[in-house]
Amino acid sequence: NAGVTQTPKFRILKIGQSMTLQCTQDMNHNYMYWYRQDPGMGLKLIYYSVGAGITDKGEVPNGYNVSRSTTEDFPLRLELAAPSQTSVYFCASSLQTGVGEQFFGPGTRLTVL
Amino acid sequence: KQEVTQIPAALSVPEGENLVLNCSFTDSAIYNLQWFRQDPGKGLTSLLLIQSSQREQTSGRLNASLDKSSGRSTLYIAASQPGDSATYLCAVGGSNYKLTFGKGTLLTVNP
Repeated sequence: NAGVTQTPKFRILKIGQSMTLQCTQDMNHNYMYWYRQDPGMGLKLIYYSVGAGITDKGEVPNGYNVSRSTTEDFPLRLELAAPSQTSVYFCASSLQTGVGEQFFGPGTRLTVL
Repeated sequence: KQEVTQIPAALSVPEGENLVLNCSFTDSAIYNLQWFRQDPGKGLTSLLLIQSSQREQTSGRLNASLDKSSGRSTLYIAASQPGDSATYLCAVGGSNYKLTFGKGTLLTVNP
């Protein structure tokens, strides 16, 4: 199993541009999450999903959108990039029931200039 | 709103020393607590997961404890090695297993 994969690894955007961060997991996990990590800070939850077709906002959802059409994929969309969205983005997944341990992808480092 | 605090923010120790990292949280209604390791520029590696009904978990030289009533967890690292140098993050799991993270403790183990 590859676990949780994210693409791209790095990206530079200009203000106002849009992009989609891709996240895929092959563990058949129902729960998926998007976090952002700013320097010297812990991770903050952007959006999460408890299953295909179901998404909900986390702590810092403004400026982002998500969709969950399949169990495996959970893309994060930035519509109008702003410098405040410069961060490292992590995708994670966990089982629906039981342990609830989260498994993280390697991250996408995004810079908005 | 759940808040997670990690103390100290940074710790430097000589190789071979036993050490304790601390994590505190404000809301005791948690589902679980996870300790992660993060190397510079890398993703998160899960070290230990403690369910809310458990008191501790052990993996090799690592031991994590949980005291829900007092809102505290500790990560004990025995016989530290230079390879243990990293940032250690504590995260508390709430409803739908959403994690609330602390800011981390930067550990440096000197040879």
